[in-house]
Amino acid sequence: AQSVAQPEDQVNVAEGNPLTVKCTYSVSGNPYLFWYVQYPNRGLQFLLKYITGDNLVKGSYGFEAEFNKSQTSFHLKKPSALVSDSALYFCAFLNAGNNRKLIWGLGTSLAVNP
Amino acid sequence: NAGVTQTPKFRVLKTGQSMTLLCAQDMNHEYMYWYRQDPGMGLRLIHYSVGEGTTAKGEVPDGYNVSRLKKQNFLLGLESAAPSQTSVYFCASSYGRGRAQSSYNEQFFGPGTRLTVL
Repeated sequence: AQSVAQPEDQVNVAEGNPLTVKCTYSVSGNPYLFWYVQYPNRGLQFLLKYITGDNLVKGSYGFEAEFNKSQTSFHLKKPSALVSDSALYFCAFLNAGNNRKLIWGLGTSLAVNP
Repeated sequence: NAGVTQTPKFRVLKTGQSMTLLCAQDMNHEYMYWYRQDPGMGLRLIHYSVGEGTTAKGEVPDGYNVSRLKKQNFLLGLESAAPSQTSVYFCASSYGRGRAQSSYNEQFFGPGTRLTVL
């Protein structure tokens, strides 16, 4: 079965430090991968996606993600965390069939401490 | 553009009552989705639509019905609400017909509806 996994329920990082939120995938065929962020009491917002091309993808709010085919990973990174980055982060895989469904990880709660 | 809007924002129902959640998008998107979000369970797809007049079941369709009579609107109905349907409901839409990778676009989400069933 095709799936994405976010192995950490929660990540804590100090403000100013680099952050990483992990995502691994298990898919057949080409992996089309997305990251979303959800701030408290808000809907999800798109951050970035990997469809093809460069393995390092840059997105909104200074985030980037590295696609690693050999490790089947798509970790989200930011060089210097802000307190305002504290939120719930979701990794997802796109089913490129007719329905364009996203298959979601369970989310990782990021807490950036002042 | 308003993007994706949802009404209502909050609702409290008694067991057995019915209600309809409305999702509207002004981006001319073909695809629309209804999700529910529960603690520790991530997002689960209830129903979706690949175009006006078409709907299909997702992961957790039982107890819900949907309709997409107009391209811009996607309605989610609960005919007889149960406490297990207490959740936050999100609507999303995306654009991207065709097989080219350039059509693999992100979904845009509404702000959510918080539903409590007593």
